[in-house]
Amino acid sequence: KNEVEQSPQNLTAQEGEFITINCSYSVGISALHWLQQHPGGGIVSLFMLSSGKKKHGRLIATINIQEKHSSLHITASHPRDSAVYICAVFFTPDTGNQFYFGTGTSLTVIP
Amino acid sequence: DTEVTQTPKHLVMGMTNKKSLKCEQHMGHRAMYWYKQKAKKPPELMFVYSYEKLSINESVPSRFSPECPNSSLLNLHLHALQPEDSALYLCASSQETAGIGSPLHFGNGTRLTVT
Repeated sequence: KNEVEQSPQNLTAQEGEFITINCSYSVGISALHWLQQHPGGGIVSLFMLSSGKKKHGRLIATINIQEKHSSLHITASHPRDSAVYICAVFFTPDTGNQFYFGTGTSLTVIP
Repeated sequence: DTEVTQTPKHLVMGMTNKKSLKCEQHMGHRAMYWYKQKAKKPPELMFVYSYEKLSINESVPSRFSPECPNSSLLNLHLHALQPEDSALYLCASSQETAGIGSPLHFGNGTRLTVT
């Protein structure tokens, strides 16, 4: 069974804190995506990566293919970062050409 | 602002009604998707269109009927829905079937309530 697990499920942080959200998956993948969903529904794609590390502003995403693990880091967190963060994995073609979504991490950043 | 436009934003319908959800993108993407999302759950894939042809139907009940009239438009026709079908319906698109080099672009969703 293809599984994508995220931790923690819920996270509350003080403004300015460094935040880490983790994602683990069970089998080989061709790409991993980090998505952000704000209250009200719209989903924004933050990163797509298949190896190494990517940085965009205060957000950093890393992936370790051998360990089947990815992390999303937020530096100097801000209340506007409050959202649900979803890890989505695109497994290799023999496991189906579609995304498998993690259950999401609900982040609340308190001023 | 999202580059994938969904209408309407909200829809309330009775179980005997027929309605349609619409999705539009002008990024030249050749893959389009319908997802259903219940509260506090991740999106669930419903349908995938690739080059205007239905390529994946995730065993969705026939009361949901997708249509892709052209490469920019994706519709979801609704008929005889049940209250448990109330959810956020998300449309997405990607350059090709999503994977390496093809990030997903999501619309803001249609929040559907079936009474």
